[in-house]
Amino acid sequence: DGGITQSPKYLFRKEGQNVTLSCEQNLNHDAMYWYRQDPGQGLRLIYYSQIVNDFQKGDIAEGYSVSREKKESFPLTVTSAQKNPTAFYLCASSMATTDTQYFGPGTRLTVL
Amino acid sequence: AQSVTQLGSHVSVSEGALVLLRCNYSSSVPPYLFWYVQYPNQGLQLLLKYTSAATLVKGINGFEAEFKKSETSFHLTKPSAHMSDAAEYFCAVLPSWGADGLTFGKGTHLIIQP
Repeated sequence: DGGITQSPKYLFRKEGQNVTLSCEQNLNHDAMYWYRQDPGQGLRLIYYSQIVNDFQKGDIAEGYSVSREKKESFPLTVTSAQKNPTAFYLCASSMATTDTQYFGPGTRLTVL
Repeated sequence: AQSVTQLGSHVSVSEGALVLLRCNYSSSVPPYLFWYVQYPNQGLQLLLKYTSAATLVKGINGFEAEFKKSETSFHLTKPSAHMSDAAEYFCAVLPSWGADGLTFGKGTHLIIQP
């Protein structure tokens, strides 16, 4: 089945630790995205990538980092510089930036 | 800059009643518009999208939306609500020339009363 997978589904982190969220897609999409969701605030764009080895900051990139070494993978690292990392993180992909975005099931990160 | 406004963070309707979720956007040119649905602790599922073809767009699960340029609106409707429609609904906008990701509204929580 084609789709987007995110792992883990739940993640707990101690303050001061970096943590990496996985996002993989087998849809052969060129573009991939990371969004953060907080209650009552909708989704906000963290980073996006249009092609391999290239990525751009979104609206709330501070405290996050990404890489795009393979077309199918776009991992997100939440660094200790992110002051309020507890949130639901959603990965998405699309054929191009003008096309429909399809979403993964999400990872819920909780900082203890 | 684009923005999306969803009127009403919570909407409650009775089972079998009309569902109307409102979405207004601001954009310098007609954009692409989307409605997504999210069930608890899950990702977003595409309901329907407008991409400058027909102004009345039909989606999954009996939902439809009408693009009205003069009102800069893209309201979501369903003639008869079902209990399984209870979820969070998001309206989103994408410039027709492509962009750095979708701009989302803050979401509307749809509650279905038995």
